[in-house]
Amino acid sequence: NAGVTQTPKFQVLKTGQSMTLQCAQDMNHNSMYWYRQDPGMGLRLIYYSASEGTTDKGEVPNGYNVSRLNKREFSLRLESAAPSQTSVYFCASSERGPNEKLFFGSGTQLSVL
Amino acid sequence: GENVEQHPSTLSVQEGDSAVIKCTYSDSASNYFPWYKQELGKGPQLIIDIRSNVGEKKDQRIAVTLNKTAKHFSLHITETQPEDSAVYFCAASKLSGAQKLVFGQGTRLTINP
Repeated sequence: NAGVTQTPKFQVLKTGQSMTLQCAQDMNHNSMYWYRQDPGMGLRLIYYSASEGTTDKGEVPNGYNVSRLNKREFSLRLESAAPSQTSVYFCASSERGPNEKLFFGSGTQLSVL
Repeated sequence: GENVEQHPSTLSVQEGDSAVIKCTYSDSASNYFPWYKQELGKGPQLIIDIRSNVGEKKDQRIAVTLNKTAKHFSLHITETQPEDSAVYFCAASKLSGAQKLVFGQGTRLTINP
């Protein structure tokens, strides 16, 4: 099993550009998440999807949108990238909800110039 | 909401010695406390978790202790090995309801040969 797959692994954007980070899981999990990781700040939840067709804001949702395309896929979109969005982004999934084992992808390193 | 503080931010120990990482949480209703290990270039992986109905849990060289009165929990790694070098994150949440995991800031553990 591949687990959680994220693409791309690296991306450089100019301020104002848009892009979509893709995430897919093959474990038949119901819940999926997007986190960002910044030095000294741990992992912060951007958006969460409890099930196909539902999404919910996390701690730091401003500047982002998400789409739960189907049970497998959960994408994160930056409509107008800002330097403050330079970060490492992780997608994760869990079988039911957030208070059980999370399975993380390998991350996307995003730089906004 | 929940706030999790993690210390130290960096820790260096000699191979074979023990390492201890501590976290404090603010919400006395939190009752789920996982620990994640992140190796270089990878996403975090769950290594152990504890629920508030127990005070300690062990898995081979890893143990977690919980002090609900003081609202802190700790990760203990004994007989450290080079492969224990990684960034470790603690987290806290409530098992019931929709509260998502809140992560600590992370500890970079280095095992010196």
